[in-house]
Amino acid sequence: EAGVAQSPRYKIIEKRQSVAFWCNPISGHATLYWYQQILGQGPKLLIQFQNNGVVDDSQLPKDRFSAERLKGVDSTLKIQPAKLEDSAVYLCASTPSGTWGAGELFFGEGSRLTVL
Amino acid sequence: AQTVTQSQPEMSVQEAETVTLSCTYDTSESDYYLFWYKQPPSRQMILVIRQEAYKQQNATENRFSVNFQKAAKSFSLKISDSQLGDAAMYFCAYRKGGTASKLTFGTGTRLQVTL
Repeated sequence: EAGVAQSPRYKIIEKRQSVAFWCNPISGHATLYWYQQILGQGPKLLIQFQNNGVVDDSQLPKDRFSAERLKGVDSTLKIQPAKLEDSAVYLCASTPSGTWGAGELFFGEGSRLTVL
Repeated sequence: AQTVTQSQPEMSVQEAETVTLSCTYDTSESDYYLFWYKQPPSRQMILVIRQEAYKQQNATENRFSVNFQKAAKSFSLKISDSQLGDAAMYFCAYRKGGTASKLTFGTGTRLQVTL
């Protein structure tokens, strides 16, 4: 079974530029998460989708970050314009439909963003 | 709001020895789950072990076991017979019961395994 796919793995941009990250979850997984992991910190949830609807985006900086999950499958996270503090690894994770609290999150390898 | 605290930024253990990573959490919920995830360098995060709060018995997975102290809100991970492949960041995580709940992570502990 293929895992969670993310691209690009690495991206370097200048501040105020834009960037987009793509995630393809495990086939059949209804719930998709985007986490931001700043160096030295634990991952922080940015947005959670259930199929193509947003469940939680309370910590998404909506003035510069946007995310979509068209057709309830793959997802794109965009940052525009980027700031220095956006330098981080962006992790995508997914879980099957109906996963209860003990359910495992399956993570991708992450997309490392450096903003200069 | 739920919080997860890992007070050990780095730990070191010799190969074949035992090490314990600490984690405390704060919640007012009665239905919740606790996890330890492992993140090797430049590789994806994977689940090591999980514990349901309603279970009194501590979870074990081969060389990995937990010490779950519900009243103290403590959830430590013990790694026995440490191997070089155990070197990684370890994150303690909390999740409230329910289908749409998020995973809240601690800041992580970097484990080094020496010969």
